[in-house]
Amino acid sequence: DIQMTQSPSSLSASIGDRVTITCRASQNIFSFLNWYQQRSGKAPKLLIYAASNLQSGVPSKFSGSGSGTDFTLTISSLQPEDFATYYCQQSLTTPYSFGQGTKLEIK
Amino acid sequence: VQLVESEGGLEQPGGSLRLSCAASGFSFNTYAMSWVRQAPGKGVEWVSSISDTGDGTYYADSVKGRFTISRDNSKNTLFLQMNSLRVEDTAIYYCAKETNHYGSGIFDYWGQGVLVTVSS
Repeated sequence: DIQMTQSPSSLSASIGDRVTITCRASQNIFSFLNWYQQRSGKAPKLLIYAASNLQSGVPSKFSGSGSGTDFTLTISSLQPEDFATYYCQQSLTTPYSFGQGTKLEIK
Repeated sequence: VQLVESEGGLEQPGGSLRLSCAASGFSFNTYAMSWVRQAPGKGVEWVSSISDTGDGTYYADSVKGRFTISRDNSKNTLFLQMNSLRVEDTAIYYCAKETNHYGSGIFDYWGQGVLVTVSS
């Protein structure tokens, strides 16, 4: 099975900051990597698919990059609604696996 | 797109529960569907997927042999039959739409989730 590891597990930032979250796969997953945002008490929401493709309706402040085993999610100009938990997920093969999550908090 | 799960509930260990998810706003019979769960305060875990026709089904090892995913395309409904429930199955269960017919593993729409509690 493919293990996904995110870093950091939590992150404090201020309004207007730019932040980067890292995700590492235990084996080559090419570009089969997706990013989700989960606000408190809500279902996850797809932000980025296939490593770098912005899901329809998602603001361009979110961007993804990487391939193989190392990936990043970057969020620019943080606003209050961006403070949430972010998950990476590999979709190369079942069992589909998620990272443990990165909780983005207001400093 | 709208995905509405049925009410979850409280069940004893060893018991059974059937979840359903009513889909609308898209051509249900042309997309793979999945169940994903999240234990209280924990991360997200994929549970099971089913292809558009129902011919292909896939399970996490943690539920294989106990859970069965199915769908009724005539009623635009997805199901998850959960048997031999364990305390560790306690979670919010989400149904999720995938982005193609056979199973992309990309979950572009999610239901609101239902809480399943397994406890004696």
